[in-house]
Amino acid sequence: DVKVTQSSRYLVKRTGEKVFLECVQDMDHENMFWYRQDPGLGLRLIYFSYDVKMKEKGDIPEGYSVSREKKERFSLILESASTNQTSMYLCASSDRGTTDTQYFGPGTRLTVL
Amino acid sequence: ILNVEQSPQSLHVQEGDSTNFTCSFPSSNFYALHWYRWETAKSPEALFVMTLNGDEKKKGRISATLNTKEGYSYLYIKGSQPEDSATYLCLGGWVSGGSNYKLTFGKGTLLTVNP
Repeated sequence: DVKVTQSSRYLVKRTGEKVFLECVQDMDHENMFWYRQDPGLGLRLIYFSYDVKMKEKGDIPEGYSVSREKKERFSLILESASTNQTSMYLCASSDRGTTDTQYFGPGTRLTVL
Repeated sequence: ILNVEQSPQSLHVQEGDSTNFTCSFPSSNFYALHWYRWETAKSPEALFVMTLNGDEKKKGRISATLNTKEGYSYLYIKGSQPEDSATYLCLGGWVSGGSNYKLTFGKGTLLTVNP
């Protein structure tokens, strides 16, 4: 079975802190994604990566950066956390094919105070 | 941003009822439509992926159809059960310049099945 893990289920940070959210997948998938989920807004794509060291902006990249130094790991970075980044963050991975299913991690509920 | 619309936003049905909901999407440069089920406190799980006009997929009591010309997909649940209660998400994919592609989720339909 595909397994996607995220470093924390719940995280509380203060405004201005640098925040790292880590995602690891064990199926040798090329593609990895970071989404945020907010009530009434659905899942919105922040960034995705289709290969090591490669990244593409999604629909809402402002205030975020990403890092993919190894194929299995995709990190989301909040350089200076703000209260409007309080959200549920989900990571996903998939094979390279354009119709391939995305497999999701359990999510990280981030609260920025 | 490509707009994927799902309707209704939420739905309450009684156990045993059959139900359906809709995902609408831009048909230009479309290549795939995925359906996911997201139960509370769990991760979204894939149900179907469809690419061709007229595609129909079925898994148990759940089925889906795709019309790429008019840009919509229906998800049907026959004889709803309480364990079907979840948010159902559709994910559209489009070709976006050369070999690039664009993916957008709809906001989901929240289904509640009352026993």
